[in-house]
Amino acid sequence: QSALTQPASVSGSPGQSITISCTGTSSDVGAYNYVSWYQHHPGKAPKLVIYDVTNRPSGVSNRFSGSKSGNTASLTISGLQAEDEADYYCSSYTTSNTGVFGTGTQVTVL
Amino acid sequence: EVQLVESGGGVVRPGGSLRLSCAASGFTFHNHGMSWVRQAPGKGLEWVSGLNWNGGSTTYADSVKGRFTISRDNAKNSLYLQMNSLRVEDTAFYHCARDGSYIGLDYWGQGILVTVSS
Repeated sequence: QSALTQPASVSGSPGQSITISCTGTSSDVGAYNYVSWYQHHPGKAPKLVIYDVTNRPSGVSNRFSGSKSGNTASLTISGLQAEDEADYYCSSYTTSNTGVFGTGTQVTVL
Repeated sequence: EVQLVESGGGVVRPGGSLRLSCAASGFTFHNHGMSWVRQAPGKGLEWVSGLNWNGGSTTYADSVKGRFTISRDNAKNSLYLQMNSLRVEDTAFYHCARDGSYIGLDYWGQGILVTVSS
């Protein structure tokens, strides 16, 4: 159950688009279309922004989108805004019926 | 409004035990699987354990397997995590979360701090 691999940090200017990658294995990310993404502001509860690879929960901005190719999933934030500055985590269901999170990515809005 | 409120955290010595509770409200509790997720100070999120709607299927991270037990009481709208043989590395904020879709955790509690220290 090794953590999924994410870049430690990604940055962009307001209005730009950024993409965060999440690399796993054929036993997790590559096994099912059950990858989720969370936005986490320190001191607050994590917020689900993408589930089942591409789906957005009600109320989440359409600036957030997800995709997957093989063992790597991606989260794209378009039209970057100051409020998007946070930590982002991916997670995946695994073939062992467990969950696994990514290492986390700190997003900075320049 | 969906609410998840954890309780039962605190300071415990290595080798000790603690039982966390999570009180759920604002949704039909028995319709959803639930999970526990933790975050050690300065570290990332770690999935700890999950169970299905009736508690008949439970799973654990390797790091806690054999030491932690997840359970639920649907009559009381409550989720539990019994933590035994606690280690210093179990120190973390523990969150309960509702499973919307295969580890798509759509609602989270604020978390409760567990500190394991001598």
